[in-house]
Amino acid sequence: NAGVTQTPKFRVLKTGQSMTLLCAQDMNHEYMYWYRQDPGMGLRLIHYSVGEGTTAKGEVPDGYNVSRLKKQNFLLGLESAAPSQTSVYFCATSERPRGGQFFGPGTRLTVL
Amino acid sequence: SQQGEEDPQALSIQEGENATMNCSYKTSINNLQWYRQNSGRGLVHLILIRSNEREKHSGRLRVTLDTSKKSSSLLITASRAADTASYFCATDASGNEKLTFGTGTRLTIIP
Repeated sequence: NAGVTQTPKFRVLKTGQSMTLLCAQDMNHEYMYWYRQDPGMGLRLIHYSVGEGTTAKGEVPDGYNVSRLKKQNFLLGLESAAPSQTSVYFCATSERPRGGQFFGPGTRLTVL
Repeated sequence: SQQGEEDPQALSIQEGENATMNCSYKTSINNLQWYRQNSGRGLVHLILIRSNEREKHSGRLRVTLDTSKKSSSLLITASRAADTASYFCATDASGNEKLTFGTGTRLTIIP
């Protein structure tokens, strides 16, 4: 079992470019989350999903979009990247709400 | 805004000593969780304690929860070099299905 995987691991973008981060899980978990981690800020929730076909906004959703077309995948899109979106992005899953979360290895994104 | 805040921000101890870190939060919760993050890696879930529990153990980990003070502590006994990591508490406010993470305690174990 791979658990939670994230693609890509690293990416450098120029301001205004777009990209999609992919999170895939093989644990059959209903709940999936996208966080960003910045120095001194801890993890902040961007968007989350409580099941296939659903998405909801987290604490810092502006500038991001998400889709959950398949239960096992949760995509995070940046339509027009900004330097403020330079961060490490983590995907996580959980079997139930408020339960322990399983994290992917992260994607380090730099926007120039 | 951060629901949980860890204290201290950084802690260095000798291998074999016990490490204690604290988490304070602002609103009523259902559960409080602790996670570990090794440098450059994703977070790993350590332990979950429910609001009606006061203490929980898992191996060398001991977590306490005081809902009257809105605080929790994580004790790591007989520390090892491999315990060097950042530790985060996460809370879910009552009626909320999302977790809110603190800013973490950076623990360094000196061999």
